[in-house]
Amino acid sequence: DGGITQSPKYLFRKEGQNVTLSCEQNLNHDAMYWYRQDPGQGLRLIYYSQIVNDFQKGDIAEGYSVSREKKESFPLTVTSAQKNPTAFYLCASSIQGWYEQYFGPGTRLTVT
Amino acid sequence: DQQVKQNSPSLSVQEGRISILNCDYTNSMFDYFLWYKKYPAEGPTFLISISSIKDKNEDGRFTVFLNKSAKHLSLHIVPSQPGDSAVYFCAASHNQGGKLIFGQGTELSVKP
Repeated sequence: DGGITQSPKYLFRKEGQNVTLSCEQNLNHDAMYWYRQDPGQGLRLIYYSQIVNDFQKGDIAEGYSVSREKKESFPLTVTSAQKNPTAFYLCASSIQGWYEQYFGPGTRLTVT
Repeated sequence: DQQVKQNSPSLSVQEGRISILNCDYTNSMFDYFLWYKKYPAEGPTFLISISSIKDKNEDGRFTVFLNKSAKHLSLHIVPSQPGDSAVYFCAASHNQGGKLIFGQGTELSVKP
């Protein structure tokens, strides 16, 4: 079954700790994306990568970091510098040059 | 600066009737528009899209209309079914294979 996997579904952390969210895809897509969703808001782009070993900041990259060492994997680290880390995080991927993005099931991060 | 806006946070319709979800945008450079459907605690799923060179695209019960002069698009669902109850996001892009800009979403409730 081809798809995008995000783990875990729910994640709890104490304030001041860094946390890494996993995103894996077996769709053979070149491009991958991280979004965050807050209540009553749309999806906001954090980082995206169109090819291995390259990534660009999205609209709200402050306090986040990513890596793209493998085509299949695009982990997101939420650092302690992120002021409001509690949110629903969504990973997506797409074929290079295509508009349609396909989303994983999401990870809900709660920081207290 | 909200480039894509969905001004109705919620919409309630009767089963069998038409649902019309609206989306406005400000950037005339957008050349591709998409609609996604999202259930709670899940990732969005792609529904239908339209290129800026068209004014209508139809797929089964779903039709998207684009009015470029008004910078407005709408999604029509007919007939509406209870399983259509979800949050619908419109998204736009002017960078093939790159960033999508999402609206805030409209929560559709279809009542039996």
